Order: sequence, then C-alpha cells, then structure tokens
Amino acid sequence: AQTVTQSQPEMSVQEAETVTLSCTYDTSENNYYLFWYKQPPSRQMILVIRQEAYKQQNATENRFSVNFQKAAKSFSLKISDSQLGDTAMYFCAFMKRGRDDKIIFGKGTRLHILP
Amino acid sequence: EAQVTQNPRYLITVTGKKLTVTCSQNMNHEYMSWYRQDPGLGLRQIYYSMNVEVTDKGDVPEGYKVSRKEKRNFPLILESPSPNQTSLYFCASSLSGHTDPAYEQYFGPGTRLTVT
Repeated sequence: AQTVTQSQPEMSVQEAETVTLSCTYDTSENNYYLFWYKQPPSRQMILVIRQEAYKQQNATENRFSVNFQKAAKSFSLKISDSQLGDTAMYFCAFMKRGRDDKIIFGKGTRLHILP
Repeated sequence: EAQVTQNPRYLITVTGKKLTVTCSQNMNHEYMSWYRQDPGLGLRQIYYSMNVEVTDKGDVPEGYKVSRKEKRNFPLILESPSPNQTSLYFCASSLSGHTDPAYEQYFGPGTRLTVT
C-alpha cells in the first residue's frame, strides 16, 4: 500500500525567506502523480503544484517549485520569497495512475509566515 | 462558475440520528470522492466514485454510505452517526484518471460535523 509521510508537523519562517517542506512516499508503482495542496485558515483546499512521475523536470508555479527525486521517493516543496498569505496547512498527496484512482494524503505541515 | 458545493456547511446532531451531506459539482466530472479531515491525521478517503453507479471504498468507509445516481451528485450518508464521526468532511471531484493529464481534485468548502 502507498504511504505519504510529511516529517515536519509545523514550521515557521520570516516573511521573504525561502522555506522547504519535505514529503516522502512509498510505492511500487511506476506511473503516478504527486500534488501539494494548501489549506489556509478558510479551510478551502487549493492545489499548489502537480508533478507527473514520468516527467524528470521539476514542476514550478511562480514562487512554488518542487524537488522531485523519483529514486529516493521524495517530493519537497520550496516556497521562495514567502508571503504572509502563504500561512496555511500544506498537504502532500499521491495518486496512482490506474483504475481505482485512490488518493493518499500526508498528515500535513502547518506553515507560519512571520512578519 | 466551476465549483463543488456541499450542504450543510455546519451540522450538530445527536448519536443515531440519520443524516445526509450533499455534494454537487457542475463540471461534468466523472470522479468524485469524500474525505474526512482530523487533526494529526490529514485527509483520509472515505468513498469514491469513478462514474455513475460505480462506487468504491476508500480507507475509512465504516459507518458511511454513498450513492451516485447522477453524475453531478454524490451524497454522503451516515445511517447512525457516532461521536467518532465528528470531523471536517470534504467532497471533491475531478476528471477521470484513466487518461493523461491528471487531475486536480476540486474540493468543496467542507462540512463541519459534530455528533454528540
């Protein structure tokens, strides 16, 4: 069974700094997708970034980028020039590409951006 | 506007009183899913549906039922709620995962359920 581990329950950084959130996963699959979701205090779940396992190039979305290490089964999220609005819970998620499309979420990292 | 709606947003009920949380999406998505979110446990999938009349258990299906009679609706039913079902519930939808690219899950706003 697939598992997703986020080893940092909580982090705090100063505004404008760069922060990296870690995520590791365990799977025997070769075709899959990885996601980072953001959940601000409003509780809405917002997709931050997505990575297809077959793509070697790391995904980027403005200030958000990932370091995808397929062999190491690692999928960290880097937030550059952090802003107060980045304060949120961040969830890493894994989805196998296949018939059942089950999605596995990590337990989350609570990120505080300090003014 | 493309969206997933859930109702009610907040619900306080008593043990054993049957309840239904509705979920509806207007994006013609095949895939729909229910999650519960609990502190320290992240989101756990309860049930999901690949299409009309096709549903499957997720990781924590006990105590829940679902149905998918129409493509847009995917209600979550608690036949006899218990206090351990107090949680934050999310409905989500996406295009089918059978073809690339995949897929962002579009989440509803969440339903805060308290069972006393």
